[in-house]
Amino acid sequence: DAGITQSPRHKVTETGTPVTLRCHQTENHRYMYWYRQDPGHGLRLIHYSYGVKDTDKGEVSDGYSVSRSKTEDFLLTLESATSSQTSVYFCAISEFGGGVGNQPQHFGDGTRLSIL
Amino acid sequence: QQQVKQSPQSLIVQKGGISIINCAYENTAFDYFPWYQQFPGKGPALLIAIRPDVSEKKEGRFTISFNKSAKQFSLHIMDSQPGDSATYFCSSGNTGKLIFGQGTTLQVKP
Repeated sequence: DAGITQSPRHKVTETGTPVTLRCHQTENHRYMYWYRQDPGHGLRLIHYSYGVKDTDKGEVSDGYSVSRSKTEDFLLTLESATSSQTSVYFCAISEFGGGVGNQPQHFGDGTRLSIL
Repeated sequence: QQQVKQSPQSLIVQKGGISIINCAYENTAFDYFPWYQQFPGKGPALLIAIRPDVSEKKEGRFTISFNKSAKQFSLHIMDSQPGDSATYFCSSGNTGKLIFGQGTTLQVKP
C-alpha cells in the first residue's frame, strides 16, 4: 500500500468551528489531492497540489483552503465548518501529473467528518 | 463542469456470473481512464486503467472495453466472486486531474 496517512480518522465538531485535516505521505510524490465523497456524487476534487506551495482549486473548493509547506504534508482547512461539509474526506497522491506519464492516484483511508 | 456518468448505481450478480459497469465521458481531451475498487471503511484502490489508443485491456478477471468514438468505456468482471463485492468507480481525466463517476455498488451472491 502507498504510504499515506490521514489524520484524524474520525472527527465530530460543531458548526462555525475551524477544522484542519492532515495528509502525510512517505512516497515523495509530487502531486497530492483532497477529495470529498458523498452518496450519489462519487469523489469530487476539492483542491490539489503539484508541488510545495503550488496548489490549485478543484470542482468543489468553496469553503476550503489548503497548504503544502513540505513535500510530505498536505493540509485541508475548513475555516468555519458548516453542516454541508459533513462528508468523508480522502487524500490521494500521484507521482506525476498528466500527459503520457499519467500516473494513477493512490488514496488514503479517509477521514470521516461530522459537523453538527 | 465535465461529467462522467456511471451506470448502474447498484448491481447484484450470482457467483460465477459476469458483472458489467458502464461509463460515459464528455471531454475528448481525456487520455486516462482508470477504474477504482473501494471496500467499506477503506480508500479507493486502483483496479485497472486504459489509455485511448487501445480498445481493450485485460488483467486477470477484469477487462476494460473502450469505445473512443462513443466516448464510453466499461468494466467487465468475469467469474464474479463474493470477494468482488465492493463499490466501483470509473474515472477519466488528464493533466493530473481525474473526474469520477457516481459509483456502482456490486453485490455478488454466493
